[in-house]
Formats: sequence, structure tokens, C-alpha cells
Amino acid sequence: TQLLEQSPQFLSIQEGENLTVYCNSSSVFSSLQWYRQEPGEGPVLLVTVVTGGEVKKLKRLTFQFGDARKDSSLHITAAQTGDTGLYLCAGGRGGNEKLTFGTGTRLTIIP
Amino acid sequence: DAEITQSPRHKITETGRQVTLACHQTWNHNNMFWYRQDLGHGLRLIHYSYGVHDTNKGEVSDGYSVSRSNTEDLPLTLESAASSQTSVYFCASSPTGQRSSGNTIYFGEGSWLTVV
Repeated sequence: TQLLEQSPQFLSIQEGENLTVYCNSSSVFSSLQWYRQEPGEGPVLLVTVVTGGEVKKLKRLTFQFGDARKDSSLHITAAQTGDTGLYLCAGGRGGNEKLTFGTGTRLTIIP
Repeated sequence: DAEITQSPRHKITETGRQVTLACHQTWNHNNMFWYRQDLGHGLRLIHYSYGVHDTNKGEVSDGYSVSRSNTEDLPLTLESAASSQTSVYFCASSPTGQRSSGNTIYFGEGSWLTVV
């Protein structure tokens, strides 16, 4: 079973600060996705990266896929309270393959 | 709008009882999944299906079963509920994926199950 470890598990920072969340594995994935989950709801897809070294930006969020396609990072610039939530990475191997989810990072942005 | 719905949203049951959680999607997706989410474990795959009459075991399938008689529904059955199955259960669906774009999964809102 592939294992995706996320770090840190918990992160609490002040509004306006920057942060980076990591997703690491010993396995290679063909795609890596990031989801955000809010209390009482299911995860919602933020981005998919498929090429080693790929960088995607979504407003203040920057996602990077590692060159070897084993790891990924999520960087948030000038965090806002609306960024609070559980961030999950998920790795896939092929178009129809089930995803393996990471352990999650619970982010709290303090006003 | 197309959607994926789970029912019930909350349920309390007794140890040993059979419980079925329903999942219905209106996207006509071929792929459907059941995950459980527990603190410290993230989302773990229970069962999944790639089409009608297709079912497969995930990493934590013991004590659970699914059936896929049509495209829209994938009910999850706990044959004899145990306290260890107290969890939040998420159903999800996705279209047949493309290698170039990855596999986007759409989640339901979750079913909170407590086994006492």
C-alpha cells in the first residue's frame, strides 16, 4: 500500500503569514491532487498536478509536484481566515486508478 | 445540478446490527468509492466500483460489502456493526479518468455512524 505522509499534521498561524504544507511518499504517482475539507463536508478538489516539477497557482495558493513525482507541496501566501480547513493530498496511478489519500494537515488561521 | 447524496447523514446503531448507508450520484459516473475518515488515518478506501456489477475491495474492507446494480447507486453494508466501525463515511464518484489529467473525485457530504 502506498503511503502518503503529510506534515505538519496541525498548523496554527496568524492571518497574513505564509505557510507551506508537505506531502511525501516513497512511491511514484502519475498524478497528485490537493483537496480542502471543511467541517461537516466532504473534501473538495483544489488542483491536480501530473508532471514532475509542475507548479500550479490558484490565487494565493501555489502547488508543486516534485521532480520525481513522489512528493508535493502547498504554499499559501498571506493566509486568510477562509483558508482554515483540513488539507489532503492524494496520489493516483493512471486515469482510472483509485486515489491514495494522505493523513491530512489541519490548518487554522487566527484573525 | 448533478450531485452526489448520502443517507442517512447521521445514525446511531447497536453492535451486531446490519446497517446500510446509501449513496446516489446523478453525474452518470462509472467510478464510485466508499471511504472512511478517522482522526490520524485520513481517508481510507473501503470498497470501490468501476461500473455496474463491478466491485473491488479497498484497504479496509473487512466487515463491509457493496453492490452495484445500476450506475447511480453504491450502497455500503456493515454486516454486523462493531464499535471499531464508528466513523465518518464518505461516498465519492468520478468519471472514467484520463491519464493526462488525473482522476477528479467528487465527494458526498458524509455519513456519521456511531456504533454503541
